Amino acid sequence: DTAVSQTPKYLVTQMGNDKSIKCEQNLGHDTMYWYKQDSKKFLKIMFSYNNKELIINETVPNRFSPKSPDKAHLNLHINSLELGDSAVYFCAIKDGGETQYFGPGTRLLVL
Amino acid sequence: GQSLEQPSEVTAVEGAIVQINCTYQTSGFYGLSWYQQHDGGAPTFLSYNALDGLEETGRFSSFLSRSDSYGYLLLQELQMKDSASYFCAVSANTDKLIFGTGTRLQVFP
Repeated sequence: DTAVSQTPKYLVTQMGNDKSIKCEQNLGHDTMYWYKQDSKKFLKIMFSYNNKELIINETVPNRFSPKSPDKAHLNLHINSLELGDSAVYFCAIKDGGETQYFGPGTRLLVL
Repeated sequence: GQSLEQPSEVTAVEGAIVQINCTYQTSGFYGLSWYQQHDGGAPTFLSYNALDGLEETGRFSSFLSRSDSYGYLLLQELQMKDSASYFCAVSANTDKLIFGTGTRLQVFP
């Protein structure tokens, strides 16, 4: 079983649209993240949730809104998509130590 | 500001040894991690150093010097499958990882 899964794997959409990316984990860990990896492969944290509570918000535009309906899920909703939002978005979870497990990524292309 | 610097690219041949350096400047420091990412894949955890010294895990070793704000990843007996990007990452607090710029390793036969 995959520890962290994301849907969809690919997302192609027009500027101005609203879209959501879903993340699910089956390891029961409390801390979940969203990262953005740009075309230069720079990987940057966006949000962190611990047990459904927002812990970190890295000055991400408020068009991005994470939602954690339960400990196993952390979804990312993006309003009014812009060209610069094109990137790979990774969900990740942190175990009780220092290891983060990343999902397979969602490749978002805004046209 | 916060920054982690790595070489952008390293090349080597199969069977060789390669060292990827990382220097960091962050407002908080709990430890230094290394992640591997193959093209089209997700980052996967390799190692974590909280204390000074060398940690060995099979063909890979990771070193940390907190006083020098420096670490490195050492890959021995290189194989073609080691061709990937390698990222150092600082645990700035208990929940936050700050990633370096990444080093692309190309292994040639």
